[in-house]
Amino acid sequence: EIVLTQSPATLSLSPGERATLSCRASQSVSRYLAWYRQKPGQAPRLLIYDTSNRATGIPARFSGSGSGTDFTLTISSLEPEDFAVYYCHQRSGWPQTFGQGTKVEIK
Amino acid sequence: QVQLVESGGGLVKPGGSLRLSCAASGFTFSDYYMTWIRQAPGKGLEWVSYISTSGSTIYYADSVKGRFTISRDNAKNSLYLQMNSLRAEDTAVYFCANYEGDYWGQGTLVTVSS
Repeated sequence: EIVLTQSPATLSLSPGERATLSCRASQSVSRYLAWYRQKPGQAPRLLIYDTSNRATGIPARFSGSGSGTDFTLTISSLEPEDFAVYYCHQRSGWPQTFGQGTKVEIK
Repeated sequence: QVQLVESGGGLVKPGGSLRLSCAASGFTFSDYYMTWIRQAPGKGLEWVSYISTSGSTIYYADSVKGRFTISRDNAKNSLYLQMNSLRAEDTAVYFCANYEGDYWGQGTLVTVSS
């Protein structure tokens, strides 16, 4: 099983600041890494798929990068709705796995 | 518009069974690989199961293998998860989603408790 480790666990930032979230895989997932944002009481929403492709309707402030085992989600300027939990997800191998999540909270 | 609506959750005793359903609309369901993903209260996401468009290829998480069965009925635009031998650790909100992850339901809560 591929283990995804996200860091940091919590990120305390102010609106307008830049957020950088990390996801490290225990073995290569090639480029099959996605990112989701989940607000309380809601289903996750796909932000980025295949490392760097923005999903439909996702604004340009979200970007993804990386390959192999190290991946990054960057939010260039935090909006109020971005304070939430973020998960990375690999579908390179079975079983698929998720990271444990990074909570972005208001400082 | 695209909709996935889960149903069938509820309270069940340990060792019991439950069948979840996911009704799809707004897209050609038969063209999409589908998955079940769950989230225990206050915890992260856990992938549970996958089924191909025809149902010929299926995968499960080790935590549910041998107890859960995924299936689909393309004529009814529906996805299912039969859950047997339920344990307390199966308590979670269960989401259905397409494989690509851009369509999700709102989830249905399964509580396993005596």
